Amino acid sequence: QKEVEQNSGPLSVPEGAIASLNCTYSDRGSQSFFWYRQYSGKSPELIMFIYSNGDKEDGRFTAQLNKASQYVSLLIRDSQPSDSATYLCAVHNSGYSTLTFGKGTMLLVSP
Amino acid sequence: DTGVSQNPRHKITKRGQNVTFRCDPISEHNRLYWYRQTLGQGPEFLTYFQNEAQLEKSRLLSDRFSAERPKGSFSTLEIQRTEQGDSAMYLCASSSTARGLGYGYTFGSGTRLTVV
Repeated sequence: QKEVEQNSGPLSVPEGAIASLNCTYSDRGSQSFFWYRQYSGKSPELIMFIYSNGDKEDGRFTAQLNKASQYVSLLIRDSQPSDSATYLCAVHNSGYSTLTFGKGTMLLVSP
Repeated sequence: DTGVSQNPRHKITKRGQNVTFRCDPISEHNRLYWYRQTLGQGPEFLTYFQNEAQLEKSRLLSDRFSAERPKGSFSTLEIQRTEQGDSAMYLCASSSTARGLGYGYTFGSGTRLTVV
């Protein structure tokens, strides 16, 4: 069973702070890694993907991947109340054509 | 690009009734996926199609569930003899093999099913 683990939270940060969201995965052969944002009652929205070790930056978002540790993280700089949502980590497992999702981490950014 | 469209947005049904949901993927996407999401959980994979072929089904997909994609365009997901445990958000997503799964999926707005 391919597993993707996330702390369910909530993670509470003040406006302007850095939010750090973490994810671990069980399949060493995993190829691609994704972060989706999901507002309450809405569908997931892709915000970042990464497949090479290291950091990938896109605006206020930075995805970090460490395949040796089977660890993916998402940093959100200058957090805004509008960033309050559940963040889902998803992994493309080797040998499959689908993504496996974690349960998500709820982020709350207080003004 | 009009996005992934799902209908209906909400469905309330009595236990034991059959329901059918429809998904229209992004037009140039040849892969279509169905996921189910319950409160506090991440999306769980149900099944996926490449063009009209159903290539993978989850063990979660009981015999009461059936999915079709007859012409490789829209897809339907039918649940027969619904049970209260079927209450969930049913999400459809699409992607293109031309771009590769490395670019992820695009999800539709989902169909929220409530079985009473």
